[in-house]
Amino acid sequence: ETGVTQSPTHLIKTRGQQVTLRCSSQSGHNTVSWYQQALGQGPQFIFQYYREEENGRGNFPPRFSGLQFPNYSSELNVNALELDDSALYLCASSSWDRGYNEQFFGPGTRLTVL
Amino acid sequence: AQSVTQLDSQVPVFEEAPVELRCNYSSSVSVYLFWYVQYPNQGLQLLLKYLSGSTLVKGINGFEAEFNKSQTSFHLRKPSVHISDTAEYFCAVSMNQGGKLIFGQGTELSVKP
Repeated sequence: ETGVTQSPTHLIKTRGQQVTLRCSSQSGHNTVSWYQQALGQGPQFIFQYYREEENGRGNFPPRFSGLQFPNYSSELNVNALELDDSALYLCASSSWDRGYNEQFFGPGTRLTVL
Repeated sequence: AQSVTQLDSQVPVFEEAPVELRCNYSSSVSVYLFWYVQYPNQGLQLLLKYLSGSTLVKGINGFEAEFNKSQTSFHLRKPSVHISDTAEYFCAVSMNQGGKLIFGQGTELSVKP
């Protein structure tokens, strides 16, 4: 069983640019959640996708957007990057259809905004 | 709204000593409780969870936690730590089993020889 994978591992952008982060969910999972983890902080919920629809959103501005594809992989897009967007971005996959819905986390993408 | 407070940002401890990492939560509704571990440059791994039933929960790597509803606490314990337990530990709550997780700030456990 393949776990949750994320790409890229690291990337560096400058203020004002746009970035796309990718997440492949674990086999059999239909739900992906995205979290932002700033340095020295706990992860903060950005949003969740279930069967290609947004299923909850945290306190993040609209320039944070996402997509989920028919194969349940997902993208996180951030427009007009700001310095404070520098963080580790984690995705987690789970399955709403199978009783207890443990979220399995990927290794994250480290984004640095200069 | 739910919130989580981890009372210690850093916990240094010697190898083979017992350890307790403290977690308090605030919620007006019933919640599910979790402890995650994060090793350097890695994602989060679930250590244990409380969904219902017995208030003493056993997890992986010899960790256990006790849910105390009256004190709104969910402290993590291990009777004897190893060097390999050195990591960041996060307490989290959720209103449902698959919904958003609300994390505490984390506790850095440092195990010294």
